[in-house]
Amino acid sequence: AQSVTQLGSHVSVSEGALVLLRCNYSSSVPPYLFWYVQYPNQGLQLLLKYTSAATLVKGINGFEAEFKKSETSFHLTKPSAHMSDAAEYFCAVRNQAGTALIFGKGTTLSVSS
Amino acid sequence: EAGVAQSPRYKIIEKRQSVAFWCNPISGHATLYWYQQILGQGPKLLIQFQNNGVVDDSQLPKDRFSAERLKGVDSTLKIQPAKLEDSAVYLCASSLEGQWDTGELFFGEGSRLTVL
Repeated sequence: AQSVTQLGSHVSVSEGALVLLRCNYSSSVPPYLFWYVQYPNQGLQLLLKYTSAATLVKGINGFEAEFKKSETSFHLTKPSAHMSDAAEYFCAVRNQAGTALIFGKGTTLSVSS
Repeated sequence: EAGVAQSPRYKIIEKRQSVAFWCNPISGHATLYWYQQILGQGPKLLIQFQNNGVVDDSQLPKDRFSAERLKGVDSTLKIQPAKLEDSAVYLCASSLEGQWDTGELFFGEGSRLTVL
């Protein structure tokens, strides 16, 4: 069965610091992996996705993620945090039927000045 | 392009009452999803439609939840009777196809339900 585990429910960084949000997956088939962001009182927005092409995926707002099969990981990074990055981030994997997404519990990112 | 529209944004009801949420997906999107997001958890799929047919409702509590997508466009999710544990944000999402490669789901802003 497909699942994702996000390590750390809350991450705090200073403005300008590296952002690292961790996601590990479990999948019985080659995975399709996603990161979504949710700003307060807004819907989820796609940040980036891995669909078996390049292992380093670049997304919007300067975020990127690297697919590592040996580590079953898909961690999200950004070299320099901005205050506007404060939000909740969800890692997701496509279900085995290929028709829907299974989400992790989310990581809240706080950015301080 | 208009996004996924949901209403109402907020609803407060007493337990055992009923509630209905409405969703209008992005024009042309064949697939519509209802997810439940309980505070502190990730979204959980309740039901998935392709056009007006149900693809997956395995996690829908059918004794109290029902959903329909008449004419393959708008959808309504109903809870009757509501329980305290139904307090959550109900997210509607749509995508172009059911079996897709891009995998992008477009989400509405959600309907926040509080059951007292």
